[in-house]
Amino acid sequence: GAGVSQSPSNKVTEKGKDVELRCDPISGHTALYWYRQRLGQGLEFLIYFQGNSAPDKSGLPSDRFSAERTGESVSTLTIQRTQQEDSAVYLCASSKDGNQPQHFGDGTRLSIL
Amino acid sequence: QKEVEQDPGPLSVPEGAIVSLNCTYSNSAFQYFMWYRQYSRKGPELLMYTYSSGNKEDGRFTAQVDKSSKYISLFIRDSQPSDSATYLCAMTSLMDSSYKLIFGSGTRLLVRP
Repeated sequence: GAGVSQSPSNKVTEKGKDVELRCDPISGHTALYWYRQRLGQGLEFLIYFQGNSAPDKSGLPSDRFSAERTGESVSTLTIQRTQQEDSAVYLCASSKDGNQPQHFGDGTRLSIL
Repeated sequence: QKEVEQDPGPLSVPEGAIVSLNCTYSNSAFQYFMWYRQYSRKGPELLMYTYSSGNKEDGRFTAQVDKSSKYISLFIRDSQPSDSATYLCAMTSLMDSSYKLIFGSGTRLLVRP
């Protein structure tokens, strides 16, 4: 079956622009997570969705970051007024339920010029 | 101090060697432990997960957890060049309702033919 799908795989944009990243979780997975991975570092948690609600947004680094999930399926992560420090790989993971193993997509590699 | 510490390596071993990868952690509430493998420009791939102290074996891989020492290990037997990747440990507290994963920074492994 299909795994977690993320698009675009690469995104290059100018500082100050808005970007939107998309995640298609594994079908039937109710829990969805966004993480960020900076060069040479481990993953940092950003936000957790259970269904369409986001009970844990504690990892979002600033109010420029927001995310939504619709239809208990696709999620989008939006970064407004991008800064150079936003350059990273943004990874999405899903699981059957929160306490089940998380499965990751290949990420969106974001570069801010 | 980071919640999860992991030696970044790189760790270089000859083909066929036994590899030992380790993480230490500071939060005694962590109860659920995972190892992921990440190839370059790919997302993390789940290798092993366990809830309890002791050993769990799956093929060439053995995960070991020592909660009293706050120390986890992944052993790879008969290592192959295809095992060359970055290995990430991750953990969460089952009391965290989001089950967000806290990651080590990863250990780069190179298996020489």
